Amino acid sequence: AQSVTQLGSHVSVSEGALVLLRCNYSSSVPPYLFWYVQYPNQGLQLLLKYTSAATLVKGINGFEAEFKKSETSFHLTKPSAHMSDAAEYFCAVRSGSGNEKLTFGTGTRLTIIP
Amino acid sequence: EPEVTQTPSHQVTQMGQEVILRCVPISNHLYFYWYRQILGQKVEFLVSFYNNEISEKSEIFDDQFSVERPDGSNFTLKIRSTKLEDSAMYFCASSGAYYGYTFGSGTRLTVV
Repeated sequence: AQSVTQLGSHVSVSEGALVLLRCNYSSSVPPYLFWYVQYPNQGLQLLLKYTSAATLVKGINGFEAEFKKSETSFHLTKPSAHMSDAAEYFCAVRSGSGNEKLTFGTGTRLTIIP
Repeated sequence: EPEVTQTPSHQVTQMGQEVILRCVPISNHLYFYWYRQILGQKVEFLVSFYNNEISEKSEIFDDQFSVERPDGSNFTLKIRSTKLEDSAMYFCASSGAYYGYTFGSGTRLTVV
């Protein structure tokens, strides 16, 4: 079984401040991990993914995430928040490639304070 | 970049009516999925489809739901008799042999 826990359903940061969105996972096999962003009334856009290569993964829009096996974490960070980063962020885990489903966390709504 | 296309973007239907949501996956992908997101909640897995048959389904995917790949390009989700609680955003996704997993932009289903 696989699961994802996102700590903090709402996070607010000031424009220019560090963004840190937390994700912890549970998986019985080495996982593949993903972060998706969803803007209001839109679909899911892939920010970045970890697929057992480098543990520090860089994605779009200046985001990055670090896979820490010992902590079972895959936290999302961005050094300097922009107003355009305001959105809902979902962490997801997949136990394997091929035909495996994604299991999503409950999401974190990021608000940027001007 | 290849996209997963979903139609319609928004559908309103009366309770008890049948609806069909349509998806065109990425052409060389092998695996197809439907997910659901009730407003304000997380994205939930409904069903996966491979080699012309369902490979996994969630407890949400009961007898009211069915999926089909009627030709070489389309992938459909049918809800036979819609309920108010079926109102949600429905996302189609497809993936290749390895890690690629692409979502469509979704169909917002409103049951009235």
